[in-house]
Amino acid sequence: DAKTTQPNSMESNEEEPVHLPCNHSTISGTDYIHWYRQLPSQGPEYVIHGLTSNVNNRMASLAIAEDRKSSTLILHRATLRDAAVYYCILVSGGSNYKLTFGKGTLLTVNP
Amino acid sequence: GAGVSQTPSNKVTEKGKYVELRCDPISGHTALYWYRQSLGQGPEFLIYFQGTGAADDSGLPNDRFFAVRPEGSVSTLKIQRTERGDSAVYLCASSHGVGELFFGEGSRLTVL
Repeated sequence: DAKTTQPNSMESNEEEPVHLPCNHSTISGTDYIHWYRQLPSQGPEYVIHGLTSNVNNRMASLAIAEDRKSSTLILHRATLRDAAVYYCILVSGGSNYKLTFGKGTLLTVNP
Repeated sequence: GAGVSQTPSNKVTEKGKYVELRCDPISGHTALYWYRQSLGQGPEFLIYFQGTGAADDSGLPNDRFFAVRPEGSVSTLKIQRTERGDSAVYLCASSHGVGELFFGEGSRLTVL
């Protein structure tokens, strides 16, 4: 499985934008980039996904590099509720069910 | 509720005992998944059901672990002869086809 690399932790202030990076230099042409997050004592929660083009939804934006070797999850205005572990996951078109979670990035949001 | 429901939320057992963990998926979701999460790690895939059948059980660590979904809805994860290393949070998720996975809050298993 193609792997992703994320910083272990990041810190942000409330109401400021947050850019969470992810490197995936061995991504294949059929791999989708998915982001999930996990709040304390809860199961993971889907955030967003994309293939080549940048994507926006009510939770976040996903910026994908032109060569697809990296991507960035953007939270436009961080809130205390956004404090969580964020996972960047490559999902092969043929096995979307088998998510390979790494350790993710622990995001701390300061009030 | 409308989400994935898992019971029990906490289970403490002794080494060697048998354990069952239950998952109620979101109504209408045909796909169901079990993952396991150890402390400080990301979740690890165990098994995937499409309907009643296990489409992929390659993540089950050994033959002490077994899961069923007899009517294509509720699923039970069964662990025989539990070991201390089985202690973890067991997460269930469901999805509608190939869409995003919806996870439950998990069942925390502690084996003494």
